[in-house]
Amino acid sequence: QVQLKQWGTGLLKPSETLSLTCTVYGGSLSGYYWAWIRQPPGRGLEWIGDIDQGGSTNSNPSLKSRIIISVDSSKKQVILNLSFMTAADTALYYCARVLDNYSMDVWGKGTTVTVSS
Amino acid sequence: QSALTQPASLSASPGQSITISCTGTSSDFGTSDFVSWYQVHPDKAPQLLIYEGTERPSGISSRFSGSKSGNTASLTISGLQAEDEADYYCSSYTSNSAFIVFGGGTKLTVL
Repeated sequence: QVQLKQWGTGLLKPSETLSLTCTVYGGSLSGYYWAWIRQPPGRGLEWIGDIDQGGSTNSNPSLKSRIIISVDSSKKQVILNLSFMTAADTALYYCARVLDNYSMDVWGKGTTVTVSS
Repeated sequence: QSALTQPASLSASPGQSITISCTGTSSDFGTSDFVSWYQVHPDKAPQLLIYEGTERPSGISSRFSGSKSGNTASLTISGLQAEDEADYYCSSYTSNSAFIVFGGGTKLTVL
């Protein structure tokens, strides 16, 4: 059974860069896209972007200039970097596996990220 | 602002059925077969309920069903149970922009 375990910086100051890592256990990176999604407090889900094993990425246009999503196949890890963080980026961040039909069937438990001076 | 519109909240009694709508524009969502629905309980990761508009993943109760007509997708939950109280989100792949978009979410209360 595929599991996603994620970790990263939980508390950031404005203008700093967020770095989150998602490791895939019990399955392969190959054949899927791997997405990052976030949920600000009291608000809905927002797709951030995704990547496949070969490094091909897609990004939400509203965040594209600040996002770097990368993959380390040897470690079965997907990494999100989001630069110039502001309070508006405070959210619960998830990684998830994306199927060919663009549904997300396996999710990490989420990482709470707070941006505060 | 979400590209897909859902009612902010709905409520119903145990045993009843409810339908959550998800409306998009004809320029993207209307031609997409890639509609998914997710259930989100507090402090839990989202769970996939429906994919490709009507299909249920293995292990998802048959009480959950999906449909789509034109620019509107719908999630129907029959025989409501207390455990169904959660937030529900639709999503679609927007071929125009080549990214995934979520609806604003619907908070379902089981009275």
